[in-house]
Amino acid sequence: DSGVTQTPKHLITATGQRVTLRCSPRSGDLSVYWYQQSLDQGLQFLIQYYNGEERAKGNILERFSAQQFPDLHSELNLSSLELGDSALYFCASSVVALPDTQYFGPGTRLTVL
Amino acid sequence: KNEVEQSPQNLTAQEGEFITINCSYSVGISALHWLQQHPGGGIVSLFMLSSGKKKHGRLIATINIQEKHSSLHITASHPRDSAVYICAVGGSQGNLIFGKGTKLSVKP
Repeated sequence: DSGVTQTPKHLITATGQRVTLRCSPRSGDLSVYWYQQSLDQGLQFLIQYYNGEERAKGNILERFSAQQFPDLHSELNLSSLELGDSALYFCASSVVALPDTQYFGPGTRLTVL
Repeated sequence: KNEVEQSPQNLTAQEGEFITINCSYSVGISALHWLQQHPGGGIVSLFMLSSGKKKHGRLIATINIQEKHSSLHITASHPRDSAVYICAVGGSQGNLIFGKGTKLSVKP
């Protein structure tokens, strides 16, 4: 158990819908990262937050947004969902912004039908 | 061409064999990470390297910054080592760029 929690574990929804994925980092970790793992693209970095502020942005679509709250948990919002958004979404956390080690959550499996 | 290339894509070994997985990258990096993804999907961070060599149990990771190449070695492999091993390079902004992964299967 990495100490990073993600909810929900599984999510099945329809095209055009909007969903919110939640991540609670390890106690004391200030940085949260979001990654997408799809069958054809592999793991891709989406976005990083550090102590409530966006710090780095990767291949995140405009339909996706994220935020980190004062209690340091983070949410990833996916809207106007398409079939191709079906993937595993991982959250990871670390103490500092450029970490020695990132601790990964168990992931949320999103299926868009 | 991908910025991070791993080889082989798939690897089958007999229990006890010495295993090597390679990673080459084409971008400037601040660090290189080796990750392990279990069949259930969970990801564990194994190593972060910026130079030299690190060892943890039966796992050894090396990096050659000049050649932009890293290797992950597993000594005395065991069926519980069966997993996907992923190389990722860390950019200066904190983002990670991932390889496609190497699927390792260790047979008893």
